[in-house]
Amino acid sequence: DADVTQTPRNRITKTGKRIMLECSQTKGHDRMYWYRQDPGLGLRLIYYSFDVKDINKGEISDGYSVSRQAQAKFSLSLESAIPNQTALYFCATSGAGEANTQYFGPGTRLTVL
Amino acid sequence: DAKTTQPNSMESNEEEPVHLPCNHSTISGTDYIHWYRQLPSQGPEYVIHGLTSNVNNRMASLAIAEDRKSSTLILHRATLRDAAVYYCILRAYVLKAAGNKLTFGGGTRVLVKP
Repeated sequence: DADVTQTPRNRITKTGKRIMLECSQTKGHDRMYWYRQDPGLGLRLIYYSFDVKDINKGEISDGYSVSRQAQAKFSLSLESAIPNQTALYFCATSGAGEANTQYFGPGTRLTVL
Repeated sequence: DAKTTQPNSMESNEEEPVHLPCNHSTISGTDYIHWYRQLPSQGPEYVIHGLTSNVNNRMASLAIAEDRKSSTLILHRATLRDAAVYYCILRAYVLKAAGNKLTFGGGTRVLVKP
């Protein structure tokens, strides 16, 4: 089984709809992240959480919110989706320490019409 | 965050070495150099990281310049499976958790020809 799972894997929605993307991990990590990737570009950090009580904005948090329901679960919400939020969304987890290696999920492809 | 500069793309023949350069002239003393790669239709995966000394692991080698202003990721024998976008990332390691984020740039797209 994959260490980091994301649901759904693909979603098509309409402008104005509320959307929730979910992420679960079995690695036992405290730290979780949400990124978005646009075609031909690198990843940009939306939100990150270093434990259940800690939520931090990344570089592009406007229009998004998150919820850390448990150590293993981190959800990303688009309260009112707009077309320029069409992108590939990745969840990641990491432990602490020098490497702080991040483990990424398979991604969710979101299309907002 | 200190920035990195990488070529947009590189080509290699299968079973030949690939040297991927990364410039990071504004690197600070607490910045680690990380490399991740992203295979087609997948999330990024960790490749290697280092601070000052050259590093080797089963995937690749990392050669770090003495002044730390540049580094090179070396894939010793490229395979078709190594075709991916490779990201060079600086990450400040500080005790406070907020410092431990990854900032991805555009990366280098590696094409491996059979």
